[in-house]
Amino acid sequence: EAGVTQSPTHLIKTRGQQATLRCSPISGHTSVYWYQQALGLGLQFLLWYDEGEERNRGNFPPRFSGRQFPNYSSELNVNALELEDSALYLCASSLGQGSSQPQHFGDGTRLSIL
Amino acid sequence: DQQVKQNSPSLSVQEGRISILNCDYTNSMFDYFLWYKKYPAEGPTFLISISSIKDKNEDGRFTVFLNKSAKHLSLHIVPSQPGDSAVYFCAASKGTSYGKLTFGQGTILTVHP
Repeated sequence: EAGVTQSPTHLIKTRGQQATLRCSPISGHTSVYWYQQALGLGLQFLLWYDEGEERNRGNFPPRFSGRQFPNYSSELNVNALELEDSALYLCASSLGQGSSQPQHFGDGTRLSIL
Repeated sequence: DQQVKQNSPSLSVQEGRISILNCDYTNSMFDYFLWYKKYPAEGPTFLISISSIKDKNEDGRFTVFLNKSAKHLSLHIVPSQPGDSAVYFCAASKGTSYGKLTFGQGTILTVHP
């Protein structure tokens, strides 16, 4: 069974640009989650999508947004990039809401802002 | 406001002995707890979970204990193996309507041969 896949592995941008990160969940999983792990900080919850809808959002500014496609894959968009956005962005997937199911993570996208 | 805390940044154990990783939480609304293992340059790997209606869950060498009154959970690894050397994160969630996992800061486990 293929795990959660994320692309690209690394992404280098400059301040003010936009970044798009992609995630494909495990087959059969309908929920996709995004987390940020900045240097020296723990994993911080960003967004949760289920069945194409945004279900919950962490304490991040609106320039962090995303969407989930009909095939349950997801994109995370970060607009007006700032230096502090440099971090590892992790995507996770799980079976849908309504039951306690573990989230399974991809290997992340390393976003570097110059 | 760190709701999930792992107070030991690191733990060193001899191969074959027991590793005990600890985690404390403050939010009594948490009802589902998980442990993840993370190697460098990889995403976290799910290890084991426990619902708040239980106090113990076992899977092979891994056992998670939950003490709700103390708001404390622990992960026991027996016997420890050098391949267990990694960063271990505990995480918690409340209900099924939030999706969000709240993570601890992690504990670096080193298992010496």
